[in-house]
Amino acid sequence: AQSVTQLGSHVSVSEGALVLLRCNYSSSVPPYLFWYVQYPNQGLQLLLKYTTGATLVKGINGFEAEFKKSETSFHLTKPSAHMSDAAEYFCAVKSFNKFYFGSGTKLNVKP
Amino acid sequence: DGGITQSPKYLFRKEGQNVTLSCEQNLNHDAMYWYRQDPGQGLRLIYYSQIVNDFQKGDIAEGYSVSREKKESFPLTVTSAQKNPTAFYLCASSTDLLTRDGYTFGSGTRLTVV
Repeated sequence: AQSVTQLGSHVSVSEGALVLLRCNYSSSVPPYLFWYVQYPNQGLQLLLKYTTGATLVKGINGFEAEFKKSETSFHLTKPSAHMSDAAEYFCAVKSFNKFYFGSGTKLNVKP
Repeated sequence: DGGITQSPKYLFRKEGQNVTLSCEQNLNHDAMYWYRQDPGQGLRLIYYSQIVNDFQKGDIAEGYSVSREKKESFPLTVTSAQKNPTAFYLCASSTDLLTRDGYTFGSGTRLTVV
């Protein structure tokens, strides 16, 4: 079975600072990779995805992620945090017909 | 606009009661899913359906039941056999099981046992 590890259940950054949320996965075959964002009492919204092609993927709200096969990583970044980025972020891997979700990272943005 | 509608947003259940959570989609998706979300545990798959009149157990199906009589609808019943039902429940859909497009999620139902 696949596993998805998100390092850090809580991350706190200052407004304007770099956001880095880490995601590592276990997979013997190239998977499809996703980042979702969840605001309180809401569903998950797709931020970005990697399926094939360019390993640097740009998403909504200024986020991007880079697929590094050798490191089995798909870390999420944003150059400058905004207060509205405060939410929980989930990394997910799709392998064959199943999704595997990480346990989530809550991002706090300090003014 | 197409999307997934979950209702109700908040639901309270007494001990020993069955309750049904509604999930309706107008995306023309074949596959639908139910997830349970608990703090710090991510999402866990309860049931999924790839086509009408067919559904499969996920990782934590005990105490839950589903039906898929229409393409648009995938209701989840939380039975009295589910000993710890308090959680946030998310319904999702996709074009099919093998899609690389990811899932579309509803806005969730928060179930509380009182």
